[in-house]
Amino acid sequence: DAGITQSPRHKVTETGTPVTLRCHQTENHRYMYWYRQDPGHGLRLIHYSYGVKDTDKGEVSDGYSVSRSKTEDFLLTLESATSSQTSVYFCAISETSGGSSEAFFGQGTRLTVV
Amino acid sequence: AQSVTQLDSQVPVFEEAPVELRCNYSSSVSVYLFWYVQYPNQGLQLLLKYLSGSTLVKGINGFEAEFNKSQTSFHLRKPSVHISDTAEYFCAVINFGNEKLTFGTGTRLTIIP
Repeated sequence: DAGITQSPRHKVTETGTPVTLRCHQTENHRYMYWYRQDPGHGLRLIHYSYGVKDTDKGEVSDGYSVSRSKTEDFLLTLESATSSQTSVYFCAISETSGGSSEAFFGQGTRLTVV
Repeated sequence: AQSVTQLDSQVPVFEEAPVELRCNYSSSVSVYLFWYVQYPNQGLQLLLKYLSGSTLVKGINGFEAEFNKSQTSFHLRKPSVHISDTAEYFCAVINFGNEKLTFGTGTRLTIIP
């Protein structure tokens, strides 16, 4: 299995509180992503990173921020959690070089905002 | 910018019947293509990928996909489905150059006994 882990795997938090989700990889892949998955919407990209300190917004970035201070860690922060951010969050990593490409997913974090 | 379209959000199929899940992409440059499967309450796992070479790619669990450059498609097929194939299937693309992973909205495959 690819070395990618998400923590925590489950979290319940109250509206208005900040929440940070962590994605850790041991594959040294350049790209890291945060997606949310909701019924009827598939996977929607929140933010992604293409290197240390290099990040960009995805299609549903409002209310979220990210940081990548090391190659192996990509943090997603909900600055002030809302009920609409109740979702399953997936981290992914990818690397393309020398005519090859691979992408792997974490196991997901189920976040409930009450 | 690249995009991926999965035309069918849900596909019901009788057990042991063949299935095709459609995926079309849009890109101005060459791409790498992927299919992922997500079983109920699980994460996503790689089914197969096309990087180069033969346009027919075989993956796990008897699935295969064919890359068609002229039609910008990468349809997933299985000749005979089983109940255990019930899952959501996602097509994805990585562009040569910007390397960002882009997903389709997914197709939910339901197998009817």
